[in-house]
Amino acid sequence: SQTIHQWPATLVQPVGSPLSLECTVEGTSNPNLYWYRQAAGRGLQLLFYSVGIGQISSEVPQNLSASRPQDRQFILSSKKLLLSDSGFYLCAWVLGSGNTIYFGEGSWLTVV
Amino acid sequence: QKEVEQNSGPLSVPEGAIASLNCTYSDRGSQSFFWYRQYSGKSPELIMSIYSNGDKEDGRFTAQLNKASQYVSLLIRDSQPSDSATYLCAVPPLVSGGYNKLIFGAGTRLAVHP
Repeated sequence: SQTIHQWPATLVQPVGSPLSLECTVEGTSNPNLYWYRQAAGRGLQLLFYSVGIGQISSEVPQNLSASRPQDRQFILSSKKLLLSDSGFYLCAWVLGSGNTIYFGEGSWLTVV
Repeated sequence: QKEVEQNSGPLSVPEGAIASLNCTYSDRGSQSFFWYRQYSGKSPELIMSIYSNGDKEDGRFTAQLNKASQYVSLLIRDSQPSDSATYLCAVPPLVSGGYNKLIFGAGTRLAVHP
């Protein structure tokens, strides 16, 4: 069966520091991968999606970036964090042409 | 108009009652609809999907879709305190470029009290 893992689960970072969140999917190949963010008390916002290695599409302008160095690995990064980057970051995947999205456990980021 | 709209709640129902959660969407051509449940501090988990007009039942959950009126609802029968969570409605945009994106509503918080 397919599983998705995210880490770290929680982190507290100072303003201006770098960020790296990692996500890996097991049990499948060539999934579509997504990064969503959920700010406190708000809905899910799609940040990036990827249909293959090295293929990244950005949904909203921001100081975050994403990379997909391997088929089942998706990384969210920032060179300098802002206070507004705080939130709950979720990696998700879809298999094939389906629309059903499955989420990882999420990463809580607090920028101080 | 937001693409997917939900009443933020909280919707408070007594244990054993029917909870009714509603969602409206703006893209008339949308073909598939999803309900996710999100417990506080956790990631969303899929409850149901619905593609055709009418009702779809799964245990205590019933999804209802009315494409003409552009709304989809989720009924929870015999509500339990463990159903207390935020319920997210999600719809793929009509033009998603084959990337299977989902647009989420902000969610409705449900509180089931004993």
